[in-house]
Amino acid sequence: GQQLNQSPQSMFIQEGEDVSMNCTSSSIFNTWLWYKQDPGEGPVLLIALYKAGELTSNGRLTAQFGITRKDSFLNISASIPSDVGIYFCAGRSTDKLIFGTGTRLQVFP
Amino acid sequence: DGGITQSPKYLFRKEGQNVTLSCEQNLNHDAMYWYRQDPGQGLRLIYYSQIVNDFQKGDIAEGYSVSREKKESFPLTVTSAQKNPTAFYLCASRPLRENTEAFFGQGTRLTVV
Repeated sequence: GQQLNQSPQSMFIQEGEDVSMNCTSSSIFNTWLWYKQDPGEGPVLLIALYKAGELTSNGRLTAQFGITRKDSFLNISASIPSDVGIYFCAGRSTDKLIFGTGTRLQVFP
Repeated sequence: DGGITQSPKYLFRKEGQNVTLSCEQNLNHDAMYWYRQDPGQGLRLIYYSQIVNDFQKGDIAEGYSVSREKKESFPLTVTSAQKNPTAFYLCASRPLRENTEAFFGQGTRLTVV
C-alpha cells in the first residue's frame, strides 16, 4: 500500500528548541493532516489543511499545505517535554487517508 | 460521553485461531475504518465502510474480514489466513461532511503466539 515519505525519522532535541518535519508524496492530495500519537494510544488530530498554500497554527504548532499539493510541513516552536511522541502526516484525495511513516520526537530537559 | 471505543486493549490468541476486535462509536459517524500499525511504521488501511451493510477493502485486506450491520459498530475479524497478525489495530470514524476528520479509538494490541 501507498505510504508518504516523512522526514526525519526521529529527532532528539533540547527543551525550548524549535522542530520541523515534513512529508512528501508523488500523488496530489486535497487534504493534509498532522496527528500525534503517544505510546499505546490512538493518534490525535493536531492540524487539518484543506487548501494549497494554506498556513495554519494551533498554539505552538504551525503547518503548511504545499503549493504543489504534494507536500506539507509541521513546525513546533519552543518544545516542551510533553511534545514527546510520534508525529504522523496523512494525505487524503478521495475518502482514503494515506499515512506517513512517522517522526519520533524526543525532548530532553 | 461521546467517543469511539475499542475493546479489548490487549488480546492474546493462539496461532490458527480467528479473533474478532470490537469497535463501537456513539458519534453518529457514517464512515468507519480499520488500520494496522507495525513498529516503526505508519498506519495501513485494512477495510473501511461508509454506510451500513457496505464496506471496501483497503491496502492490506488479505486475511481480514469485517461487517457493518449497525452504524455504530464495525468489528474486525483477524482470520487464521493472516500470516503475520501480531500488531496494533486502530479503529477510526468520521462524519461524511466536508472538512471533517477522523477520530481514532485507543487501539487493540493483538499478540498471536
